[in-house]
Amino acid sequence: DAGVIQSPRHEVTEMGQEVTLRCKPISGHDYLFWYRQTMMRGLELLIYFNNNVPIDDSGMPEDRFSAKMPNASFSTLKIQPSEPRDSAVYFCASSLWGRTDTQYFGPGTRLTVL
Amino acid sequence: AQSVTQLGSHVSVSEGALVLLRCNYSSSVPPYLFWYVQYPNQGLQLLLKYTSAATLVKGINGFEAEFKKSETSFHLTKPSAHMSDAAEYFCAVRGGFKTIFGAGTRLFVKA
Repeated sequence: DAGVIQSPRHEVTEMGQEVTLRCKPISGHDYLFWYRQTMMRGLELLIYFNNNVPIDDSGMPEDRFSAKMPNASFSTLKIQPSEPRDSAVYFCASSLWGRTDTQYFGPGTRLTVL
Repeated sequence: AQSVTQLGSHVSVSEGALVLLRCNYSSSVPPYLFWYVQYPNQGLQLLLKYTSAATLVKGINGFEAEFKKSETSFHLTKPSAHMSDAAEYFCAVRGGFKTIFGAGTRLFVKA
C-alpha cells in the first residue's frame, strides 16, 4: 500500500492567496483527519471526516479554512485568503473503523505564507 | 475529558544509554494510550499502543511502555539508545474518535 499521500509537499505563497492542500487516504480507511503542526502550538486537530462526512470541525481556526471530502479517496483543505500565521506543516491521517486507535499519517505539506 | 502531559520537551542521552520519556494521562474511562514517533520531515508513525490487555507493551525498534494505573503514567523506555532513535516522540490518548496528542518530546542522542 502506498500509504497516505499528500500534495504538494511544499507550498510557498504570498499573503492573500488561496492555498489548496490535497490528501489521498489509505484505500478502505473510512476516517480522515487533518492536523496542523507548529512550534508554538504543537499538533492540532483541525477537522475529521467519517465516510466522507465532516464530523467535528471545531479545530478549524477561522472561516478562512475549509475542508471537503468529495469521495472516499480524496480530501482537500483550503485556506482563503492565506495569512503568514497560517505557516505550518499540515498533516493528513486516515484510519479504519474498529481500529480507530491507529492513525496513519501522510508526510505532510509544509506551507509558508510570505 | 482525556488529556496527556509529556514531561520534558527535550531529552538528551548518550548512545547506548537508557531512554526514558515520560507521559502522564488523564481519562474518565479506561484509556487507550499510544506513543508515536516523528522523524525529521516525516509524518507520525505508531510506535506502540495500550488497549487494556497486557500492561507492558512492546513496540517497534526495541521500545516498550508500561501502563501504570495507580500513577496514571505510560512512560516509554528503551534499554540502549541508538543514533537512529533521534526524533520527536508523542504520547497520545484516544478520546472518542479523536486522538489527543501531547506536546511532544524531542530526543537527542549523543555519540
